[in-house]
Amino acid sequence: GAGVSQSPSNKVTEKGKDVELRCDPISGHTALYWYRQSLGQGLEFLIYFQGNSAPDKSGLPSDRFSAERTGGSVSTLTIQRTQQEDSAVYLCASSLATAWVGSNQPQHFGDGTRLSIL
Amino acid sequence: KNEVEQSPQNLTAQEGEFITINCSYSVGISALHWLQQHPGGGIVSLFMLSSGKKKHGRLIATINIQEKHSSLHITASHPRDSAVYICAVSNTGNQFYFGTGTSLTVIP
Repeated sequence: GAGVSQSPSNKVTEKGKDVELRCDPISGHTALYWYRQSLGQGLEFLIYFQGNSAPDKSGLPSDRFSAERTGGSVSTLTIQRTQQEDSAVYLCASSLATAWVGSNQPQHFGDGTRLSIL
Repeated sequence: KNEVEQSPQNLTAQEGEFITINCSYSVGISALHWLQQHPGGGIVSLFMLSSGKKKHGRLIATINIQEKHSSLHITASHPRDSAVYICAVSNTGNQFYFGTGTSLTVIP
């Protein structure tokens, strides 16, 4: 399809394991965003990429979280030594350019990865 | 037509003024979110609400489900409030729709 694709759609893993979440943005979209929504919590911004670079990593909750984007396309979000508080839906979005700051570029969202840490 | 409409698109205020940003939406939602984006791109979630009113410091968010409308108020505005404020809605399928943002500048 032509939308943002995330995989896996669901992931259940044991505490302490590493997980890798994948996001395949819409072709040609230079900006890519990662968010998460924990149960009952608001939408939490994690990181965004403009091309392959991430100007602001301050939203990552801890140093167990890392993200990369290569080739200006697919991005992976890696969580090392998972903890139960990492359980959430992880959402990826992409846009033609960095959205909002004076522009009208909407973000297109994937269906998310539902991560459950046992 | 956008599922989420915000107004105004740009707003300039004097320090100390009371500020209101409006958001209307046209889809069924499970929650409405107000986000703040500072220069440099970092985004902070201010509120998530599905009914009534929430207050945090000088910020107040209200929602009227019947009218499909929400407002974000800033009391006693300060230059550090200068940012882009974004309204977003989500449904039970975790689909998000974003407004295009309101760029706020507070002048000392």
